[in-house]
Order: sequence, then structure tokens, then C-alpha cells
Amino acid sequence: GAGVSQSPSNKVTEKGKDVELRCDPISGHTALYWYRQSLGQGLEFLIYFQGNSAPDKSGLPSDRFSAERTGGSVSTLTIQRTQQEDSAVYLCASSLEQNTEAFFGQGTRLTVV
Amino acid sequence: KQEVTQIPAALSVPEGENLVLNCSFTDSAIYNLQWFRQDPGKGLTSLLLIQSSQREQTSGRLNASLDKSSGRSTLYIAASQPGDSATYLCAVQTGANSKLTFGKGITLSVRP
Repeated sequence: GAGVSQSPSNKVTEKGKDVELRCDPISGHTALYWYRQSLGQGLEFLIYFQGNSAPDKSGLPSDRFSAERTGGSVSTLTIQRTQQEDSAVYLCASSLEQNTEAFFGQGTRLTVV
Repeated sequence: KQEVTQIPAALSVPEGENLVLNCSFTDSAIYNLQWFRQDPGKGLTSLLLIQSSQREQTSGRLNASLDKSSGRSTLYIAASQPGDSATYLCAVQTGANSKLTFGKGITLSVRP
């Protein structure tokens, strides 16, 4: 596809379950970002991948959150033992290389019940 | 630590008005600044990217300016239309291999 693709678009899970969110960046883009947007809040940075460099994980809110990027392409954000405060829209973005225009996916709306 | 501020949080204008949205940032050593639009329940759409060496960028009815030394950017929207109603966010990238730092956005409503 032409844009950043995220799946699923919506996810409802029970408290305590693990969830995996997927991001397919634009082909050839070396930089990939994950952000979270809670209701009425701004965008909260989670993690940033750039090429083969070590990812910037400084935004991950707890050790329940992890992310990986396989083969420099697809990325998966995993949340273990989900809590109600994890409910938010999780947004992924990619850019061709560092410091270039970032393009966002439509997001995954996560609801923890 | 970079902080990005967008004031006011909300703005309502009549159709046809020219308007300016403001963005300020605390650390002027940025690599670039990007303006985005977000419609309710949707992701972010990139509008304009200004590199640190540039003063402005234009796309259709939109013009974004950057004054690095004062830590400010403005997004000018000419002849506003109801379809321009959305939340507008600015984000800066500070340093190589760095994340985007976002403001909280300005929710614009253009009244017919």
C-alpha cells in the first residue's frame, strides 16, 4: 500500500490480557515511531526506530510495554497484562530517513475492559 | 527538554476568514518542524514540513513560517472553509535520530 498501515483498527481486550499491535511502514522508510493518544490528550511518544541504530525506548511508560522491528520493516508493539489506563489510540508513523517528513497511520484504538 | 506549546486550544471563525495558528518551542536547536491535521477519530495527515534552514513552506491555501531564533512557527490558512475544521498540531524534531515532540493542538471550527 501507499501509506502506513496499522492493524487491528480496533481492539477490545480484558484487563490482564496481552495485546499486539502491528504497524506496516511505507516501503523503504528507515524511521518508525510509535505514539499514544489518550482521550483529550496530546500525543505521547513511546518508541523510535531508525535504521540499524538502537531504538529510543525512553517513552515506554512501563516494562509491560515493548516493541520490535523485524527486518527494518514491520513493527509490533506489545502490551503485557493490560490495564484500563492503557486504553488509548496507538499511532504509528514512518519517514524515509531521519529528520524527514513523517507519515502516520490511522491508528489502533485499544479499549481495556 | 523540548516543549511545544500551541495557544489557544480552540478557535472558531466564520467561513472566508484568513487565520493564523501559532506554535512555540523552547529549544531552538531543531532539525525541522512539521504541521499536521487530525480529523476526529482519524490519524494525522502531514500538511507541511519546514527544515531548520528554511523560513517558510507553502501548499495551496496553507503557508507555514519558521523563526528558529525566537522558537516560533505560524500556520497561515487563507480563505478558510468549513472543510478546514480539524485539530492542527505542530511537532519539532530536535537532534539527529530523535523523536517528534508535539504540541497539544489547536481545534479549529470554521462556521458556514
